[in-house]
Amino acid sequence: EPEVTQTPSHQVTQMGQEVILRCVPISNHLYFYWYRQILGQKVEFLVSFYNNEISEKSEIFDDQFSVERPDGSNFTLKIRSTKLEDSAMYFCASSGSREGQETQYFGPGTRLLVL
Amino acid sequence: AQSVTQLGSHVSVSEGALVLLRCNYSSSVPPYLFWYVQYPNQGLQLLLKYTSAATLVKGINGFEAEFKKSETSFHLTKPSAHMSDAAEYFCAVSDPSGGYQKVTFGTGTKLQVIP
Repeated sequence: EPEVTQTPSHQVTQMGQEVILRCVPISNHLYFYWYRQILGQKVEFLVSFYNNEISEKSEIFDDQFSVERPDGSNFTLKIRSTKLEDSAMYFCASSGSREGQETQYFGPGTRLLVL
Repeated sequence: AQSVTQLGSHVSVSEGALVLLRCNYSSSVPPYLFWYVQYPNQGLQLLLKYTSAATLVKGINGFEAEFKKSETSFHLTKPSAHMSDAAEYFCAVSDPSGGYQKVTFGTGTKLQVIP
């Protein structure tokens, strides 16, 4: 069964450093998403991406975040200057459409720890 | 805005007992509702979804959920708990604002199964 994959599974970085989290969505999907889950809290939407553009973003997704689809398979989330509060599990998701009933398929996540 | 509320952050059941995880939704339009499961150190896996076709929805691993509009509920049940069901369960709603591009999650319920 097709699945969303994410690399790395864990990343430790120093505050102020840039990190890039990588995702390979399901191959025929067109809509891509990033969510995050701070330890002990609920999963929160960050951004959605379609046709090489951000289509929606949350208030969490400020100027230090960016997303990119650098080639036909990868989808990345960049955090320019990490803060302690960016420590979280980051989930990538993809879907075939943006119909309400369409399932978003989630990857296993990247656990980011900012020291 | 769409939202879901999960009652009980922790639920404990004995192996073989009924599992009931509660979720109530708030929505200004007919909602699309989901239950996801997160096993320790893993990503989010879709258990089942409600898309207005049938009010009783059957999912994987013997779980089912019933959509009750009068009660604005979408509770998750399983007749007989297995040890392998121990995980965190998230109720979620697809948000129509911005064109169903994000899923809003509840705070999660951790299910403990006691042998």
